[in-house]
Amino acid sequence: NAGVTQTPKFQVLKTGQSMTLQCAQDMNHNSMYWYRQDPGMGLRLIYYSASEGTTDKGEVPNGYNVSRLNKREFSLRLESAAPSQTSVYFCASSERGRFYGYTFGSGTRLTVV
Amino acid sequence: AQTVTQSQPEMSVQEAETVTLSCTYDTSESDYYLFWYKQPPSRQMILVIRQEAYKQQNATENRFSVNFQKAAKSFSLKISDSQLGDAAMYFCAYRTTNFGNEKLTFGTGTRLTIIP
Repeated sequence: NAGVTQTPKFQVLKTGQSMTLQCAQDMNHNSMYWYRQDPGMGLRLIYYSASEGTTDKGEVPNGYNVSRLNKREFSLRLESAAPSQTSVYFCASSERGRFYGYTFGSGTRLTVV
Repeated sequence: AQTVTQSQPEMSVQEAETVTLSCTYDTSESDYYLFWYKQPPSRQMILVIRQEAYKQQNATENRFSVNFQKAAKSFSLKISDSQLGDAAMYFCAYRTTNFGNEKLTFGTGTRLTIIP
């Protein structure tokens, strides 16, 4: 099915470990996003990429890095995981200049112990 | 910066009844988009309904409709004939129309419980 694919769906890390969350979309969207969801705080933007080769910080970028590998793929890296990064992470994509909102991946539940 | 406020952390409604979820937002822009997303226990984010600010007519999608009050910066979601499958977190979201800046700003969500 067409859409946004995120891997992994679940992950447990120890404090200080690193990992990369992968995201790929097959809808030829230009824009891609990474959000984190925490109880009582809604979804907050970590980083986004308006087009291939560009990335920009969102509301909560500290502790994360991103790579827009090509038009399809947008990865999120935690270099040294902290318990404060325990969250559900969503990748999304959208058309530029279009009205239709985002298409979301199914999310990654990350626990840092 | 735009902000979105959902003042009802939790709501409940009897099955088959009608419920309204509130959302207010703050912006200095005259044109923008507004959305309601549903997040069931599966965690998937599902677009429920969308509204273009320049359109005065309220959007409707089957049992879901909005009450868009631009002057009041209010965008409430009405769910009619509530069904057990409507139980979920509901998020209101704002998006600018500025080309190249399609970021969505979300509210904190309202958890809707359906009482059988």
